[in-house]
Amino acid sequence: EAQVTQNPRYLITVTGKKLTVTCSQNMNHEYMSWYRQDPGLGLRQIYYSMNVEVTDKGDVPEGYKVSRKEKRNFPLILESPSPNQTSLYFCASSADSGNTIYFGEGSWLTVV
Amino acid sequence: KQEVTQIPAALSVPEGENLVLNCSFTDSAIYNLQWFRQDPGKGLTSLLLIQSSQREQTSGRLNASLDKSSGRSTLYIAASQPGDSATYLCAVFSSNDYKLSFGAGTTVTVRA
Repeated sequence: EAQVTQNPRYLITVTGKKLTVTCSQNMNHEYMSWYRQDPGLGLRQIYYSMNVEVTDKGDVPEGYKVSRKEKRNFPLILESPSPNQTSLYFCASSADSGNTIYFGEGSWLTVV
Repeated sequence: KQEVTQIPAALSVPEGENLVLNCSFTDSAIYNLQWFRQDPGKGLTSLLLIQSSQREQTSGRLNASLDKSSGRSTLYIAASQPGDSATYLCAVFSSNDYKLSFGAGTTVTVRA
């Protein structure tokens, strides 16, 4: 079954404690990306990757890092989380720019 | 920067009525436009993908049109059912920078 899997699904953490949200897809997709969804602001793209070792900033990259060492994985790293990064995060993948985008179930992150 | 707008923000209709959801975007340099459905607290499910060279796509009771030159897309849902109640989002994949930009969504309630 085609899947985009995110972990953890729910996390409460403290300000400044580094955390990583993992994302994995089983469809051999080249394009992967991360979004955050906030009430009133909709979905905003954080980072995206066109292929292995190729990443680029989206609209709201500040405070986040990503890496793409293998095709299937695209972790989102918060080096020093702050309360304004409390949000619902989604990972997504697509075969390429012309294809359907598949989303993970989302990761609820609270930073206190 | 691509701006995507969805009107109306919310819609409530009796069961059986047809739904019309609108999406507009500012930059016509796109690969495609997708319509998604999101249930509360859940991920996004792709409904229809329209390539930039296409005018419309159909799937069951759903039909989406695309007028790239005027920067507009419309999602029609025929004979609405209570199960259609959800938030519907449109997203455009820009060909300039490979970014995916979302509208804020239209929240639909279908009354039984």
